[in-house]
Amino acid sequence: ETGVTQTPRHLVMGMTNKKSLKCEQHLGHNAMYWYKQSAKKPLELMFVYNFKEQTENNSVPSRFSPECPNSSHLFLHLHTLQPEDSALYLCASSQDPGGNEQYFGPGTRLTVT
Amino acid sequence: SQQGEEDPQALSIQEGENATMNCSYKTSINNLQWYRQNSGRGLVHLILIRSNEREKHSGRLRVTLDTSKKSSSLLITASRAADTASYFCATDALTDSWGKLQFGAGTQVVVTP
Repeated sequence: ETGVTQTPRHLVMGMTNKKSLKCEQHLGHNAMYWYKQSAKKPLELMFVYNFKEQTENNSVPSRFSPECPNSSHLFLHLHTLQPEDSALYLCASSQDPGGNEQYFGPGTRLTVT
Repeated sequence: SQQGEEDPQALSIQEGENATMNCSYKTSINNLQWYRQNSGRGLVHLILIRSNEREKHSGRLRVTLDTSKKSSSLLITASRAADTASYFCATDALTDSWGKLQFGAGTQVVVTP
């Protein structure tokens, strides 16, 4: 719907599992973002990538590991998560990281059991 | 710390009525943006207003910005059931890292037919 796709849309994983979230943007943008959205809380920025280089790591625990192989793809590798990590994980992109409008994917609803 | 805070947290109106929500922020900004999110989906960019602008229109949307009061308002005129969603303001603060938008917790709007 917005040119940013995310898979899977829903994910249930145990605390000992390893899984990955995928994001792809078809807009020719140079910057990509991972956000975490928990109920009743503001969107939390996790990571920012500009031209495949990580420019922001917002004090995110190491159990979340991002990967950006090219400017169109972004992954979030998950391992040994906690139940409080259950949330909607949103990917976004923008033409460049200079505070411009961002285009969001539909999100992955993650449940950690 | 949270930069933008929306008010009210929730708003219930009937079709045809106007909906107004406010956003207050703490530090000087480059721009302020409004986004809409339908339940459990990604955010959709609505409008961006720069710090040197006072008012902006887009269809049934009207945004104002008062930098002296560090506040913005979003007005939706002649609301429709399809306007039911959460609305977020996001600020591109002057002092923040490149590309780091700070989102508020949102205003949940319900429009009943």
